[in-house]
Amino acid sequence: AQTVTQSQPEMSVQEAETVTLSCTYDTSESDYYLFWYKQPPSRQMILVIRQEAYKQQNATENRFSVNFQKAAKSFSLKISDSQLGDAAMYFCAYRRNSNYQLIWGAGTKLIIKP
Amino acid sequence: DTAVSQTPKYLVTQMGNDKSIKCEQNLGHDTMYWYKQDSKKFLKIMFSYNNKELIINETVPNRFSPKSPDKAHLNLHINSLELGDSAVYFCASSLSPLAAPSGQFFGPGTRLTVL
Repeated sequence: AQTVTQSQPEMSVQEAETVTLSCTYDTSESDYYLFWYKQPPSRQMILVIRQEAYKQQNATENRFSVNFQKAAKSFSLKISDSQLGDAAMYFCAYRRNSNYQLIWGAGTKLIIKP
Repeated sequence: DTAVSQTPKYLVTQMGNDKSIKCEQNLGHDTMYWYKQDSKKFLKIMFSYNNKELIINETVPNRFSPKSPDKAHLNLHINSLELGDSAVYFCASSLSPLAAPSGQFFGPGTRLTVL
């Protein structure tokens, strides 16, 4: 069975600095997708970034980028120039190709220090 | 324009009551989901429908019953509410995974409090 592990329950970073949130997953599949979602205090779940496993290039969305290491089954999220609005729970999720179900990590709470 | 909407956003009710939460998406997606998020923020899939057909039916009490009148709507009805049902319930939608590798788009959540 596939599992997703976020080993950091909480992280904190100084405003304007860079922080990396870790995510590892376990699967025997070769074709799958990985996602990072953000849930701010407003509780809205927001898709931050996604990565297709067949792509070697790491996905990037403005200040958000991933380090996708397929062999190591690692999918970390890097947030550059952290802003107060980045404070949120961050969830890593995995989906096997052609499968409807997302497998979720337990989340990492990110605190931004002004 | 709201993409995925849920009503109500807050629901406070007594144990034993029956309540419904409604969800609508205007994204043209084929697939809709219900999740439960507990107090520790853990997200648990409950149900999923694709084009009105139930495709995910996780182990939840049969007091929970989803209904999809059309592919843009997925409602959740809960009978005989219990204290442990208190949580935030999220509706989400996506394109069919068979068609495109899209992520899921979430509604604002419904905070259910059972007294």
